[in-house]
Amino acid sequence: QSALTQPASVSGSPGQSITISCTGTSSDVGGYNYVSWYQQHPGKAPKLMIYEVSNRPSGVSNRFSGSKSGNTASLTISGLQAEDEADYYCSSYTSSSTHYVFGTGTKVTVL
Amino acid sequence: QVQLVQSGAEVKKPGSSVKVSCKASGGTFSSYAISWVRQAPGQGLEWMGGIIPIFGTANYAQKFQGRVTITTDESTSTAYMELSSLRSEDTAVYYCARANVTYYDILTGYYGWYFDLWGRGTLVTVSS
Repeated sequence: QSALTQPASVSGSPGQSITISCTGTSSDVGGYNYVSWYQQHPGKAPKLMIYEVSNRPSGVSNRFSGSKSGNTASLTISGLQAEDEADYYCSSYTSSSTHYVFGTGTKVTVL
Repeated sequence: QVQLVQSGAEVKKPGSSVKVSCKASGGTFSSYAISWVRQAPGQGLEWMGGIIPIFGTANYAQKFQGRVTITTDESTSTAYMELSSLRSEDTAVYYCARANVTYYDILTGYYGWYFDLWGRGTLVTVSS
């Protein structure tokens, strides 16, 4: 099962903006607008932050935004806050035999 | 407010099976799909499969085909995930999640979805 590729870690200072990349192929990220992003704090269940590339669910801060270019999707967190420190996972439908795939995960650290 | 309430932690022997439940408390999930995602200790998320209760058809990740069965009981708004032939590598937290279907591949019969509500997870430990 081939996971989407994310950087292992990203860090930033409070108030800064950071961007997490999620690289796939034309069979998943590049071929469909069905990328979603999840935030997971230690010991907790994941939480949906972005769906269908750039849509934000009700209740999610507008500091979180999503985009896509080619085979790479991105999650941007602006005005970084201490509470944003968590693991983040992208996911996508894939036309390959795995059918649905998560990213490798990125640990965000607020300095 | 709907919550997904999962069954408690399990300890299983290698080669046995485990069945984890996920009950929609405060509502029903008949209009949604339910997916199961697992997370091994210190590892990332891994999609196992999902089901649309009103259709009763399940999609399974190729890795788990033949070993996992996902079912629902609409009368009790409960979904189940049964994993057989357990091995130590199956030790993980198993999450159920309410899935919004966004895409259907008519050729493969598989769905694209995102997960907007998660259970708290069930730890399954496989050990002799």
